[in-house]
Amino acid sequence: GENVEQHPSTLSVQEGDSAVIKCTYSDSASNYFPWYKQELGKRPQLIIDIRSNVGEKKDQRIAVTLNKTAKHFSLHITETQPEDSAVYFCAASMRNTPLVFGKGTRLSVIA
Amino acid sequence: DVKVTQSSRYLVKRTGEKVFLECVQDMDHENMFWYRQDPGLGLRLIYFSYDVKMKEKGDIPEGYSVSREKKERFSLILESASTNQTSMYLCASSLLQGAGYTFGSGTRLTVV
Repeated sequence: GENVEQHPSTLSVQEGDSAVIKCTYSDSASNYFPWYKQELGKRPQLIIDIRSNVGEKKDQRIAVTLNKTAKHFSLHITETQPEDSAVYFCAASMRNTPLVFGKGTRLSVIA
Repeated sequence: DVKVTQSSRYLVKRTGEKVFLECVQDMDHENMFWYRQDPGLGLRLIYFSYDVKMKEKGDIPEGYSVSREKKERFSLILESASTNQTSMYLCASSLLQGAGYTFGSGTRLTVV
C-alpha cells in the first residue's frame, strides 16, 4: 500500500520568513495530495490540495508543488505569521482508496 | 458547511469495557472514516465505509469494529477496551472518493 513520509517533524521560523514542508509518497498511482492544518485542540482542516495533473497550486500565502517523477510534493508558506503555528499533515490517495497521512510537522512561527 | 459531529469530546473507560464512539455527518456524504491520532505517529486509518452496510478494514483494525446502519452515522466500537487504545479518535467524511475530508472535533479516549 501507499506510504507517505513527511519532513521535518518540527520547524521553527521567524515571523515573515518562509516555511517549506516536504512529503514523499511510494505509489505512483496516487493522484490526490491534500494538506491539512491542525491548530492546538482543534480538528484538522483542509488548507490546500493538488491533483496529479497539476504541478503547482497557490492560494494567497500558501502553495503546493508536485513532482510526479520524484514522487514528492511540498507545502510552501510565505510571509509566515504567528497564526500559522500549527501541526501540518500531508496525505496521498489513489482514486478509490482512503487518504494515507504523513506523521505531521509542528510549525512554530516566532514573533 | 459540512458538519461532522462526534458525540463525546472526552471519555474515560475501564479496561475490558465495550466502548462506542459515535459520528454523525449532515451533508449526505457517502464516505466515512475512522482514524486514530497519536503523537509522532500521525493519523492512522482504523476502518472506513463507502456506503451504508459496507465497511472495510484500514491499517490498524485489530481490537475495533464498526457499524454503519444509516448513511449519516458511522460508529466505532472497541470490543474490549485496553490501555493501548488510549488515543484521540477522529471521524471524517467526504463526498467523493479521492477527495478532501471534513473531520469531526475528535474524541479523546482514556482507558484506565
